[in-house]
Amino acid sequence: DADVTQTPRNRITKTGKRIMLECSQTKGHDRMYWYRQDPGLGLRLIYYSFDVKDINKGEISDGYSVSRQAQAKFSLSLESAIPNQTALYFCATSDIWDTQYFGPGTRLTVL
Amino acid sequence: ELKVEQNPLFLSMQEGKNYTIYCNYSTTSDRLYWYRQDPGKSLESLFVLLSNGAVKQEGRLMASLDTKARLSTLHITAAVHDLSATYFCAVDKTGNQFYFGTGTSLTVIP
Repeated sequence: DADVTQTPRNRITKTGKRIMLECSQTKGHDRMYWYRQDPGLGLRLIYYSFDVKDINKGEISDGYSVSRQAQAKFSLSLESAIPNQTALYFCATSDIWDTQYFGPGTRLTVL
Repeated sequence: ELKVEQNPLFLSMQEGKNYTIYCNYSTTSDRLYWYRQDPGKSLESLFVLLSNGAVKQEGRLMASLDTKARLSTLHITAAVHDLSATYFCAVDKTGNQFYFGTGTSLTVIP
């Protein structure tokens, strides 16, 4: 079984809809991250969390919110999706050396 | 704002040849990471470089870090088709946030 899982893997939604992307991990890491990947821009950090009570904004947090329900679960929400949020979204965890372990990604399309 | 630049962005090379990918970053950092991404897949960790002068090697790939020059290199020796992928470097700012380069798309031609 994969150490970092994401659901859904693909999602098509309409402008203005609320959508939640979920991430679960079995690695036992405290640190979790959400990134988006756009062609030609690499990965950009949206939010990160060092434990259940610690949530921090990343480089591009506007239009997004997160919830850390447990050590193993970190969810990303788009309260009112817009087309320029169409992207590939990755969840990641990190170990004590800060090596990141990525989930398989969620491909989100906002029409 | 921390900037991480990779070059080249696209690289097409013949099997058996050597080449180097460069990663420059704009602020002080002692940690640098290299990742590989196959088409349609997630990212996989290749190397973690934790100090100035660090050198790591795995198979045909070797990574090095010069923190004074704010430069890391990923050297490919005698390329094979299986190395075709996109390679990202990432810099850790203050132990909290990671900034990724735009990636180098490598194609190895038989």
